[in-house]
Amino acid sequence: QQQVKQSPQSLIVQKGGISIINCAYENTAFDYFPWYQQFPGKGPALLIAIRPDVSEKKEGRFTISFNKSAKQFSLHIMDSQPGDSATYFCAAGDNFNKFYFGSGTKLNVKP
Amino acid sequence: EAGVTQSPTHLIKTRGQQATLRCSPISGHTSVYWYQQALGLGLQFLLWYDEGEERNRGNFPPRFSGRQFPNYSSELNVNALELEDSALYLCASGPPGRETQYFGPGTRLLVL
Repeated sequence: QQQVKQSPQSLIVQKGGISIINCAYENTAFDYFPWYQQFPGKGPALLIAIRPDVSEKKEGRFTISFNKSAKQFSLHIMDSQPGDSATYFCAAGDNFNKFYFGSGTKLNVKP
Repeated sequence: EAGVTQSPTHLIKTRGQQATLRCSPISGHTSVYWYQQALGLGLQFLLWYDEGEERNRGNFPPRFSGRQFPNYSSELNVNALELEDSALYLCASGPPGRETQYFGPGTRLLVL
């Protein structure tokens, strides 16, 4: 049973465009929602994270939107750059520090 | 500040053997997490250690085990290796009392 469902599997965006990746979850016990960026041959790196008590969090060009009632959250990358080309993972954690990751979205930003 | 380090970077074993993977956390971090990332798939939670104790475990068979040492480094042992154990094994560390995780580069295990 997949606890966190992520879409799309792959995404192609033109330079300067907005990249949007969506995730959905079922378990209402989740209380921490991080997003990770992974380049080939590297481990995932934490980008930004949110808790259910806020609906939006912005850090630079990266924004998380969170809809608690719909049990959905999304990552928006504004002004996407070729250097943003990577695989992005959403995740959800419970208060036992057990984390469930989405299957990943491979983003390709075209120059 | 040094990041999370893992060794070896690559490991080749045959079916039925045992594999030992090692992880050194960021200085000051007391938690270590282990994940399996099979090719083209997301990360699957394996184990969480904190202050030397196993705190939580994912849906993996008992042949996946590990421990955390007094210096907070950790090792993951996989016994009776199977072909489907071939994957990238990622270790992450986290500071006390927080969920934030910082990942290492991983150990790529190939089972032949």
